[in-house]
Amino acid sequence: DAGVIQSPRHEVTEMGQEVTLRCKPISGHDYLFWYRQTMMRGLELLIYFNNNVPIDDSGMPEDRFSAKMPNASFSTLKIQPSEPRDSAVYFCASSPTYNEQFFGPGTRLTVL
Amino acid sequence: QKEVEQDPGPLSVPEGAIVSLNCTYSNSAFQYFMWYRQYSRKGPELLMYTYSSGNKEDGRFTAQVDKSSKYISLFIRDSQPSDSATYLCAMRDTGNQFYFGTGTSLTVIP
Repeated sequence: DAGVIQSPRHEVTEMGQEVTLRCKPISGHDYLFWYRQTMMRGLELLIYFNNNVPIDDSGMPEDRFSAKMPNASFSTLKIQPSEPRDSAVYFCASSPTYNEQFFGPGTRLTVL
Repeated sequence: QKEVEQDPGPLSVPEGAIVSLNCTYSNSAFQYFMWYRQYSRKGPELLMYTYSSGNKEDGRFTAQVDKSSKYISLFIRDSQPSDSATYLCAMRDTGNQFYFGTGTSLTVIP
């Protein structure tokens, strides 16, 4: 298995633009998580899905952030409009059991 | 006060040394305890997880949990240069929320 796949690996955009991050989980994993990592705040859980259904989005910082999982093999995290403080590394992780999470390589987002 | 406190280091040790990494927490509701290893510019990789007080061993790694003191540790025996990474502790509460430490940077010098 190729593991969790994320795209793009790097994204540089200007303030106010829409940003879409993509994730392909490991086949057969029922849980999918989106995290954000910064030096100041560390790793923060934004939202997680179980069987494509959003279960807990309490970590989503603002209405500018939205996440979808239209099927078992694809999820997106969208930021609209983006702001410089959104600059971070965004990770997607999937899990067969909730606890045992497998992380993707991350998307490094820079908002100018 | 943060839910999970972790000394950021950096920690530098000679090859072969025993490494001790630690986290403290304040929430008695935490039930599951995990350690992740993260290499530079990579995603975190799960090393170990446990849900009870006591020790759990896996090769050169031992995870220790002391719920009464709200303290967890990861010990690495016979440390290798390939162990050089950032180590993150993580905890899960009864409400299924995860909380991560900010990570300890470890360098093992050959």
